[in-house]
Amino acid sequence: EDQVTQSPEALRLQEGESSSLNCSYTVSGLRGLFWYRQDPGKGPEFLFTLYSAGEEKEKERLKATLTKKESFLHITAPKPEDSATYLCAVQGSTSGTYKYIFGTGTRLKVLA
Amino acid sequence: EPEVTQTPSHQVTQMGQEVILRCVPISNHLYFYWYRQILGQKVEFLVSFYNNEISEKSEIFDDQFSVERPDGSNFTLKIRSTKLEDSAMYFCASSEQGQGAAQYFGPGTRLLVL
Repeated sequence: EDQVTQSPEALRLQEGESSSLNCSYTVSGLRGLFWYRQDPGKGPEFLFTLYSAGEEKEKERLKATLTKKESFLHITAPKPEDSATYLCAVQGSTSGTYKYIFGTGTRLKVLA
Repeated sequence: EPEVTQTPSHQVTQMGQEVILRCVPISNHLYFYWYRQILGQKVEFLVSFYNNEISEKSEIFDDQFSVERPDGSNFTLKIRSTKLEDSAMYFCASSEQGQGAAQYFGPGTRLLVL
């Protein structure tokens, strides 16, 4: 069964304190691994898509990397406005053609 | 920047009543989805829709649920007889392509069944 596990569940950082969020996955035939940001009461906001091991994507203070078993979302010198829940999702060829399987997310709080 | 819109933002209904949740996907997207998120839990897939038919659905999407694209812009989710456990945030999403494509989510409809 395809699975996504995110850690830690919650993370508190001081402004400027860099860290990484982890997404471990088990999926047959990875079609894509997706990172989203979700603010309270809002819909997930697309950040990155990764397709194959070794791939990296960057956007402002965020950098996503992918291996065969996990993905990391690195946050460099975070600011309070980076506070949100970060969701990881995978799309595999056996769990369904188009559906995403989401992890439970990491709640990030950045303190000023 | 194009975005997915959803109406209403909040809906309160009595158990057993029918509700229709509405979505306007991004205009050039061809694939449409509904997901739900029960408070404090993960986002769960309900159904995907392409070329005017359901392409896949989860075990959650039983006979009480239906989807429709009544015109060229709207995409709806109908729950025929709501249950207490249907209370959740419902998200519509759309994508340009199917497999391997980024899905863009709307702001959600918060459904409360009393």
